[in-house]
Amino acid sequence: ELKVEQNPLFLSMQEGKNYTIYCNYSTTSDRLYWYRQDPGKSLESLFVLLSNGAVKQEGRLMASLDTKARLSTLHITAAVHDLSATYFCAVESNFGNEKLTFGTGTRLTIIP
Amino acid sequence: DVKVTQSSRYLVKRTGEKVFLECVQDMDHENMFWYRQDPGLGLRLIYFSYDVKMKEKGDIPEGYSVSREKKERFSLILESASTNQTSMYLCASSMTGPDTQYFGPGTRLTVL
Repeated sequence: ELKVEQNPLFLSMQEGKNYTIYCNYSTTSDRLYWYRQDPGKSLESLFVLLSNGAVKQEGRLMASLDTKARLSTLHITAAVHDLSATYFCAVESNFGNEKLTFGTGTRLTIIP
Repeated sequence: DVKVTQSSRYLVKRTGEKVFLECVQDMDHENMFWYRQDPGLGLRLIYFSYDVKMKEKGDIPEGYSVSREKKERFSLILESASTNQTSMYLCASSMTGPDTQYFGPGTRLTVL
């Protein structure tokens, strides 16, 4: 059974600082997705990572995938308030059934 | 632009009622999914569908059924609603193959 763990679960950080959210998963996969959810809203796709060593960047967010370590990271550079949200990683197993298993999310709060 | 819509944003029902949640996507996606989201538990997959009239159980199918009569529409049915089915329900769709899932706005269901 595929298990996905995110840490930290809660993160409060000051504007301008850097931080990293970690996503570990338990079985072989080279398909990992990051989503953002604002309070009371639905999930918005951020990044799609489909191979070992994949790196994607959008603004102050950068995601990477290490399939050998079964680890993805979401790095936040020089945080700003509008990045406050809950971030989820989701992993698709290599069995090709296209189901996603989600982590429990990291609630990020950026303090001015 | 990708669009997934859900029939209601908020719904209040009584215990024992039959409840229909509708989801429509306009992207000609083959795959459609129903999740529920609860605090501290992340997103959990209820049912999914790869094609018209086809359905697969997810991780928590008990108490739910689904219907997919047309490619663009995927319905979630609570045959006899119970209070433990109070939750946020999210519908999503995706193409076949490695593809991010696109989420609808969600339906917050309260069962009294």
